[in-house]
Amino acid sequence: DAMVIQNPRYQVTQFGKPVTLSCSQTLNHNVMYWYQQKSSQAPKLLFHYYDKDFNNEADTPDNFQSRRPNTSFCFLDIRSPGLGDAAMYLCATSRPSGETPYEQYFGPGTRLTVT
Amino acid sequence: AQRVTQPEKLLSVFKGAPVELKCNYSYSGSPELFWYVQYSRQRLQLLLRHISRESIKGFTADLNKGETSFHLKKPFAQEEDSAMYYCALSGAGSYQLTFGKGTKLSVIP
Repeated sequence: DAMVIQNPRYQVTQFGKPVTLSCSQTLNHNVMYWYQQKSSQAPKLLFHYYDKDFNNEADTPDNFQSRRPNTSFCFLDIRSPGLGDAAMYLCATSRPSGETPYEQYFGPGTRLTVT
Repeated sequence: AQRVTQPEKLLSVFKGAPVELKCNYSYSGSPELFWYVQYSRQRLQLLLRHISRESIKGFTADLNKGETSFHLKKPFAQEEDSAMYYCALSGAGSYQLTFGKGTKLSVIP
């Protein structure tokens, strides 16, 4: 089945220790997104890639970076995680060349714990 | 700035009762509205979009531009409808979504 895969599903890291979350897709979609979702809050868009073009949200902290080496993979790097970065991180994809408005396809998420 | 408000964190209804999940939005142009759903232990997925004007799993939603609302309705709730529901907005032609905080629907047998 074509889908969006996130690894790992659960990640524990130490305060200040860099961590990388991974997302891959078999949908061949142009756009890949990273969202942060804290408890009882809305998913918040951090950034997205349209093909190789990176688009950062204005209020995304510099501590968060992303890489997209190819169409299928996208990584979220947190350079120095703080306790406030503990959250669920959602990856999503969409295909803007398809039917509008564009549906986003979500992965299962990675729950990040910072100790 | 665009904003989506879901006033209820939790909504409990009895099986067979009507359901209405409220969503209000703030957007200066012509918005595109969606409802996404997350069932227990499953990923977030699209339920319906306003432009399709379709009924999915018995749910419908009508965009009311005068009241800036996009409420989700179902005449008879089923136990399998229990889930987290998110209203989301996109600007016309945009591929970015702004989500509400979500409403947890609990259908009591």
